[in-house]
Amino acid sequence: GENVEQHPSTLSVQEGDSAVIKCTYSDSASNYFPWYKQELGKRPQLIIDIRSNVGEKKDQRIAVTLNKTAKHFSLHITETQPEDSAVYFCAASISTGGFKTIFGAGTRLFVKA
Amino acid sequence: KAGVTQTPRYLIKTRGQQVTLSCSPISGHRSVSWYQQTPGQGLQFLFEYFSETQRNKGNFPGRFSGRQFSNSRSEMNVSTLELGDSALYLCASSSGTISGEQFFGPGTRLTVL
Repeated sequence: GENVEQHPSTLSVQEGDSAVIKCTYSDSASNYFPWYKQELGKRPQLIIDIRSNVGEKKDQRIAVTLNKTAKHFSLHITETQPEDSAVYFCAASISTGGFKTIFGAGTRLFVKA
Repeated sequence: KAGVTQTPRYLIKTRGQQVTLSCSPISGHRSVSWYQQTPGQGLQFLFEYFSETQRNKGNFPGRFSGRQFSNSRSEMNVSTLELGDSALYLCASSSGTISGEQFFGPGTRLTVL
């Protein structure tokens, strides 16, 4: 069945450093790849997304890359700040007769001041 | 616009009982998806509804069911509760016409004793 693997499960960086989270998906029909940030006790919120016809997208300190051939996509956060500390989820969405979004298990990011 | 709302926010049930959770999407959104969130498992896709029809289903047993009403509000039902059903149940709404951002509700925390 569909699966999204996410690594690492935990990531600790120093403030100002970069953080990279990597995901692999299994279903080649996936065509939409969102990233959500979930702070403790709060609901997940979209931070960036990319569609299958785009290889890279950037929004200020956040960027996402997609390699369709390898079925890999990654989140890059530069100049990390303590408020970036949260759990990040990647997801792969299939839109065939409806939407089915499969999430990775999450990465807990700690940014040390 | 008002955000996605879920009721109740907390539930405590005992094994064997059944439970019904409710989700009201953002006005104008026709797609509602349900997820089960447990520590270490990320968000597991349950099902997606659009215009009162289930379009997609995840890999959960038949004890998990749902429905959607003409006003797009959705309910999910879990029958014969098991201890392992204890989780945060999140619903998310989107326009439903193309793959895009899902807006999450605050979730219902279900505890099965």
